[in-house]
Amino acid sequence: NAGVTQTPKFRVLKTGQSMTLLCAQDMNHEYMYWYRQDPGMGLRLIHYSVGEGTTAKGEVPDGYNVSRLKKQNFLLGLESAAPSQTSVYFCASTRGQNYGYTFGSGTRLTVV
Amino acid sequence: KNQVEQSPQSLIILEGKNCTLQCNYTVSPFSNLRWYKQDTGRGPVSLTIMTFSENTKSNGRYTATLGADTKQSSLHITASQLSDSASYICVVSSLPGGADGLTFGKGTHLIIQP
Repeated sequence: NAGVTQTPKFRVLKTGQSMTLLCAQDMNHEYMYWYRQDPGMGLRLIHYSVGEGTTAKGEVPDGYNVSRLKKQNFLLGLESAAPSQTSVYFCASTRGQNYGYTFGSGTRLTVV
Repeated sequence: KNQVEQSPQSLIILEGKNCTLQCNYTVSPFSNLRWYKQDTGRGPVSLTIMTFSENTKSNGRYTATLGADTKQSSLHITASQLSDSASYICVVSSLPGGADGLTFGKGTHLIIQP
């Protein structure tokens, strides 16, 4: 009963470095999302996908790219990391709009 | 602009006591309202989802109410336990059928003391 798995759990990057966060779900969900959570703020949507091969921008997409080549995986890329991208990143999936979202346990990213 | 306001920001109560968390929203059009529990260092976990026609829903010791006309919701926790210490997030959905459209509150940080 893995649910949503995020890797890595922690990462420290230097400004300008790139990295990819991986999200994998084993529930055959169509919809997948990437959020960031910052102190004193609600979760904010970065990018999302409504199915394999599709992606769309959310509220705060700048500096990030995503890919959904396989239904079970949703990748979030940082092309050139900036200190403003220091945050906790959560992946989520759902089978439909009126169902609850299943969240991963998060990736804590620090950019120095 | 869609907004979800939660109160209080933080709350400390003794184990065994009851408490009620509040959520006010200005989201249109309204699709459903969700409450999530987020333990420290973990992702949010769904507690309840309510649509316009539902005015109460329970999940164990958690009972959520929804006043669609007043645009308010509350989460009542009965006989609190130490494991209830967490952040509780109110989320309102404004798009039936769409992938985006969730507005998250900032959460209420609840601490249960022995």
